[in-house]
Amino acid sequence: KAGVTQTPRYLIKTRGQQVTLSCSPISGHRSVSWYQQTPGQGLQFLFEYFSETQRNKGNFPGRFSGRQFSNSRSEMNVSTLELGDSALYLCASRYWDSYEQYFGPGTRLTVT
Amino acid sequence: AQKITQTQPGMFVQEKEAVTLDCTYDTSDQSYGLFWYKQPSSGEMIFLIYQGSYDEQNATEGRYSLNFQKARKSANLVISASQLGDSAMYFCAMREGTGNQFYFGTGTSLTVIP
Repeated sequence: KAGVTQTPRYLIKTRGQQVTLSCSPISGHRSVSWYQQTPGQGLQFLFEYFSETQRNKGNFPGRFSGRQFSNSRSEMNVSTLELGDSALYLCASRYWDSYEQYFGPGTRLTVT
Repeated sequence: AQKITQTQPGMFVQEKEAVTLDCTYDTSDQSYGLFWYKQPSSGEMIFLIYQGSYDEQNATEGRYSLNFQKARKSANLVISASQLGDSAMYFCAMREGTGNQFYFGTGTSLTVIP
């Protein structure tokens, strides 16, 4: 069974631009969560989607948004990029509400 | 207050020795889950072990065991017979009740010395 995939793996953007990251969960998994990982703040929860609905959101500004499609693939969008948005963005999928979540390899975003 | 605290930024262990990585948590929920993840330099988070708050036995998965002390709110990871491939960042995490948010600690960098 294929694991969680994330595209692109690396991305360089300039301040003020916007970016869209994609996550394809493991087949059959309906829940997708997004995390931001930085050296200073560690791993922080962004949001979770289940069956195309956002059911939980972390403490991030409205510039961070996401959505989930009917095939459970999810996208995360960051508008008006700031230098501080440089991070590794990880997504994780779960089967329904199972405790175990599987992470993708991440997208490393650099904002210059 | 931090939900998950990992007080060891870095640890060293000799190959084939055992090592304990500390984790304390803070929650008022009676039902919660505790997790450990390994993150190699490649960046991918790898699930290692899970302990439910109602589980009476400590969880074990191969060389990994979780030393769960509920009254002290600690969930330490024990890695036995360390291998060079165990060198990585290790994160403790918690999920409260039926909530869908996972809280992560700041991680411990483990280096296994040959």
